[in-house]
Amino acid sequence: SQQGEEDPQALSIQEGENATMNCSYKTSINNLQWYRQNSGRGLVHLILIRSNEREKHSGRLRVTLDTSKKSSSLLITASRAADTASYFCATDGGYSTLTFGKGTMLLVSP
Amino acid sequence: SAVISQKPSRDICQRGTSLTIQCQVDSQVTMMFWYRQQPGQSLTLIATANQGSEATYESGFVIDKFPISRPNLTFSTLTVSNMSPEDSSIYLCSVDRQGGGYTFGSGTRLTVV
Repeated sequence: SQQGEEDPQALSIQEGENATMNCSYKTSINNLQWYRQNSGRGLVHLILIRSNEREKHSGRLRVTLDTSKKSSSLLITASRAADTASYFCATDGGYSTLTFGKGTMLLVSP
Repeated sequence: SAVISQKPSRDICQRGTSLTIQCQVDSQVTMMFWYRQQPGQSLTLIATANQGSEATYESGFVIDKFPISRPNLTFSTLTVSNMSPEDSSIYLCSVDRQGGGYTFGSGTRLTVV
């Protein structure tokens, strides 16, 4: 069964706005990762947050992790049309394999 | 981090035939992973391929349907055998990024008709 569940399933915003996506998972993790996928192509690694971290930043990305609630959020600030993509969270339980959520489709309109 | 060359990028195949997907990595890696992404769905791990040993398959995937080769530390192939329309998916390989996360190939979009 899927480990991660993202919401919303789809998100439509205007350029310059912030986009927030959430991810919930079910079992213990070593870390949680976020990926972007453009038009059904390969995935691009965005950011990794370890289980002992609560917040992490990378450029316009901010990720939070709440292990007590088994949830994470990805915030993209000042969004651009080029951010239009599907975003997936993935959990690493420590066996070098990832379990992916269902993803959020983000549409950023100019 | 590693760079992966995956091919073909897409193919349209007749049912009953087989397709072999190749991934070439620009550095040596211990493990390579193969995923399937069905239309509109998330990624599901098919198997983990270690050089010099048989691949480890996840529940629901079998070697006869998805044979994998791993002849050296930079290369792997996944074959989708005896294809049916239900095999229409994007297939992706990935490797550890050595520093966090995984690098993915650009994917193979397979359509079975």
